[in-house]
Amino acid sequence: DTGVSQDPRHKITKRGQNVTFRCDPISEHNRLYWYRQTLGQGPEFLTYFQNEAQLEKSRLLSDRFSAERPKGSFSTLEIQRTEQGDSAMYLCASSSWDGYGYTFGSGTRLTVV
Amino acid sequence: QKEVEQNSGPLSVPEGAIASLNCTYSDRGSQSFFWYRQYSGKSPELIMFIYSNGDKEDGRFTAQLNKASQYVSLLIRDSQPSDSATYLCAVPYSGGGADGLTFGKGTHLIIQP
Repeated sequence: DTGVSQDPRHKITKRGQNVTFRCDPISEHNRLYWYRQTLGQGPEFLTYFQNEAQLEKSRLLSDRFSAERPKGSFSTLEIQRTEQGDSAMYLCASSSWDGYGYTFGSGTRLTVV
Repeated sequence: QKEVEQNSGPLSVPEGAIASLNCTYSDRGSQSFFWYRQYSGKSPELIMFIYSNGDKEDGRFTAQLNKASQYVSLLIRDSQPSDSATYLCAVPYSGGGADGLTFGKGTHLIIQP
């Protein structure tokens, strides 16, 4: 068990470009979550999957954000037409069915210039 | 939208003393409560969760829940310099804890040697 892996660790992109992040959860975890965290704030919930089904999506999430989890394994988070306000740490977490055993990945730090 | 309030600190506590971290939440219907620790530059890690009124102890950590007052706290006994971190309180985003979490901004704790 290697924990939750996220790739890349850092991403610098120009405003207006699209970016995609990948998350590989702990293999036996069927729930996968995406969060965004900015400096001085707690993680902000974005969306979550149970297996391949996306069951919840934050009302604050712009239509420029989309997430997938094909085959219920790894997940991708895409941000289209990035804006400077998208600069943040994007955290992925996974858990077993009861949701009490969250494990976070190391995150992808996005900087939009 | 559910809100979780924490004093951002910093909270400075001498080594060996008891650190007391507090959290209030807006949704009276919240059923479970989580405490995470986040070291600078690292991802959050779960310390403990509580869902019944009263105290729950795990080693040097004690979570206390008072649903009538919508208040949850975390006590750290025999504080060590390694406890210096930001402590995040969280409640379920919508349904149960498995559906994602709403985090507070966190309390920055400093243990003075």
